[in-house]
Amino acid sequence: DGGITQSPKYLFRKEGQNVTLSCEQNLNHDAMYWYRQDPGQGLRLIYYSQIVNDFQKGDIAEGYSVSREKKESFPLTVTSAQKNPTAFYLCASSIVLSGATTSNYGYTFGSGTRLTVV
Amino acid sequence: AQTVTQSQPEMSVQEAETVTLSCTYDTSESDYYLFWYKQPPSRQMILVIRQEAYKQQNATENRFSVNFQKAAKSFSLKISDSQLGDAAMYFCAYRMNTGNQFYFGTGTSLTVIP
Repeated sequence: DGGITQSPKYLFRKEGQNVTLSCEQNLNHDAMYWYRQDPGQGLRLIYYSQIVNDFQKGDIAEGYSVSREKKESFPLTVTSAQKNPTAFYLCASSIVLSGATTSNYGYTFGSGTRLTVV
Repeated sequence: AQTVTQSQPEMSVQEAETVTLSCTYDTSESDYYLFWYKQPPSRQMILVIRQEAYKQQNATENRFSVNFQKAAKSFSLKISDSQLGDAAMYFCAYRMNTGNQFYFGTGTSLTVIP
């Protein structure tokens, strides 16, 4: 079955450390996204990519970095510059819409990674 | 800029009753898609229902239906015969017909009272 796999499910980071969250999809989707979720703030976009070797900053990119070396993979690195990294992180993927009518216009989400700074 | 507003941070409903969650959005586009996602305590995002803006007929999925008012830019979710398993956070989302980005509301936490 096609889907998105995020790992690990839980991650603990010491202050000053960089950590990388994994996101892999086998849906042949061109676009992939990283969202951060905090209580009461909904989902905030960190980075997105719609093609290999290209990505764009979202609303809260500071302190994060990404790469898109393969279509299937979009890892997120939380750097030491991110001052408040404790949150739930969601990865998603979709096709890139071009204006033509399509029934496949939704997001597929991973199951998330809970990152805690210790 | 596109924005999605959910004005009800929390809602509650008696089991077997009906509840309506509100969502409004702001856009200058005429062709777009709207969604309701459910996030239970497991945190997995689950698609509940979706609507194409060019369709006048309101979408329905079993006990879930929407009231789509395009002119008013309103997209409410009605849950009929509420069940304990409906308790979750519900997010409204908007997507243009071009490009890739979704825009999410801040969510409504639904409690189902036995």
